[in-house]
Amino acid sequence: DIQMTQSPSSLSASVGDRVTITCRASQDIRNDLGWYQQKPGKAPKRLIYAASSLQSGVPSRFSGSGSGTEFTLTISSLQPEDFATYHCLQHNTYPPTFGGGTKVEIK
Amino acid sequence: QVQLQESGPGLVKPSETLSLTCTVSGGFIISNFWSWIRQPPGKRLEWIGYISYSGSTNYNPSLQSRVTISADTSQNLFSLKLTSMTAADTAVYYCARVVGPYSSFDFWGQGTLVTVSS
Repeated sequence: DIQMTQSPSSLSASVGDRVTITCRASQDIRNDLGWYQQKPGKAPKRLIYAASSLQSGVPSRFSGSGSGTEFTLTISSLQPEDFATYHCLQHNTYPPTFGGGTKVEIK
Repeated sequence: QVQLQESGPGLVKPSETLSLTCTVSGGFIISNFWSWIRQPPGKRLEWIGYISYSGSTNYNPSLQSRVTISADTSQNLFSLKLTSMTAADTAVYYCARVVGPYSSFDFWGQGTLVTVSS
């Protein structure tokens, strides 16, 4: 299976901060990566697909970049509703595998 | 907008079989691919398997010997059966849609917690 390593596992940030989360794949996955936001007790919500394409309806402060084995999710100006856990997903090779998650908390 | 809703027992005894159903509205299961994903407490999300619009299936090798995913097109739903349940199968179970076999999951159900305990 392709291993997805997400970092950091948690971070504390303030409203207005720029936040960057990284996901590394154990082998080349081209741009077959998605980013998800999950709030407590809720299902994951897709933010980014194909590594850098913004899901319809998602605010433009979210952006994704990368290809191959290294990917980033950036929140340009953190808002109160962005405090959540973020997951990456590779769907290049079966089985699809997720990162371990990054919990974004209020500083 | 596609909506998915999981249903099934919240408590299963060890060694028993889990049966969950995902009812789809706003779309038809005769198109796209339909997956089950789970999240054990404090652990990462794990893909269980999918059934395609044509009825073909693909399962996570880690669970393949215990998993069956089927569909009922007349009721626009698909189902998960997981046999020989143990405490390690305690998780929130989600159903989700994926447009194709090499795409990411775009619509998810709200999830249902399944606890394995005697």
